[in-house]
This record gives sequence, C-alpha cells and structure tokens, in this order.
Amino acid sequence: ETAVFQTPNYHVTQVGNEVSFNCKQTLGHDTMYWYKQDSKKLLKIMFSYNNKQLIVNETVPRRFSPQSSDKAHLNLRIKSVEPEDSAVYLCASSLGLRWDNQAPLFGEGTRLSVL
Amino acid sequence: GDSVTQTEGQVALSEEDFLTIHCNYSASGYPTLFWYVQYPGEGPQLLFRASRDKEKGSSRGFEATYDKGTTSFHLRKASVQESDSAVYYCALKGMDSNYQLIWGSGTKLIIKP
Repeated sequence: ETAVFQTPNYHVTQVGNEVSFNCKQTLGHDTMYWYKQDSKKLLKIMFSYNNKQLIVNETVPRRFSPQSSDKAHLNLRIKSVEPEDSAVYLCASSLGLRWDNQAPLFGEGTRLSVL
Repeated sequence: GDSVTQTEGQVALSEEDFLTIHCNYSASGYPTLFWYVQYPGEGPQLLFRASRDKEKGSSRGFEATYDKGTTSFHLRKASVQESDSAVYYCALKGMDSNYQLIWGSGTKLIIKP
C-alpha cells in the first residue's frame, strides 16, 4: 500500500525551464528524502529533511532546492533544468533520521525528460 | 567511507533457475544490511534486513545471510519466477554514514521466457 505520494508521474520540459515536483507522506514520519535515479539505475541521495533541518548532498547543483510546508510534504524545485537532469526522482520517508526498525519507504517516482 | 559493491549489473535466468546476486560491503562495526527490490514503474521497496553476524533475512522466497567474516550479504532464491523480474539493490546503514542508506549499484534480473 503506497503511503508516499508523488506527483506528477511524468514530466517533459525544455532546457532552462523551471519545474517542481510534489511529495506527500501520510505515515506521520519526521524525515523525508529526495533521491535521483539515473538511466543506469544508480540511486543518489539529494536531500534529507528532518524537523526543519536540511542535509544536502554536496554534489547536488544549486539549481535544485527542496521546499517544505510541513513535515508531511517535501517538494523539489529545479530552477533551470539541464539535459543531465533527465532521471527518475524518488521521494522517501522514514520515522526519523535515526530510524532503527523501519527502513525508508519510497514513492513511485517522477520521471523527468528534458528536451 | 562506507560502501556497497554489487558485482552483477544484470543477470538473465530462466524460470526455476537458482539466483545468486553478490553483495559485499565495507563499513566499521556491524552495519545494518538491506535488500530492496524495484519493480518497473515503482519505487524501491524493502525485501528484508539483517543487523547481526549470521542473521538470515528472508522474504518472498529470497534470503540472505549476514557474514561479517567475508563482509557479504548475498541474495539467493532457489527457483525464480517471471514475476521476480526487477532491479535488486543491496544497501547498508552504518555508524559512519550520517544515518543515510549507502546503496549498491543495483542488479537487473531478467527472466527469459
């Protein structure tokens, strides 16, 4: 049963445009994440967000930014997309940063194609 | 830093074949080890985990045993089915990973008709 919801499922855009992806979790978790999955299926964490504490993967370009209104929502904004941003973006949540008994749960992903 | 190595990028088998996907890790102490499965069009989902030496995790006919001596957590299934076609990820959460999952590169399992 899916408890991490992502919209849209797919998005096609052109280089230089701004895009925003939504993520909502209904689990009451305190921590949310964004991952990037490339065409070779490699998973790389981009951000983790816990009680207004943002942990950024230092390799993430500055055109990416997370946006959170409350602990159940973590959106991802890309200010000016580039071709290498084409990927699947996966949102996940966990009970807390120090989750011990429950591994992160993932949404179904948003597939971005940049033309 | 912590790391996970999956040696097979892709495995092609026929139905009822035996499956092994190799996973080796590098981390201090006793990290928690995981296997995730990702079906087409879905996000990764947890298969099972293990956190102690010799502990066996299992789910849906898949199993893996935590081996600190060889720093391995190999995934095995005795008889694969077409529905097992997916990408399988080995991952770890260790003391040095700042509470993040460290992921292997994934192994795509293809079941030939």
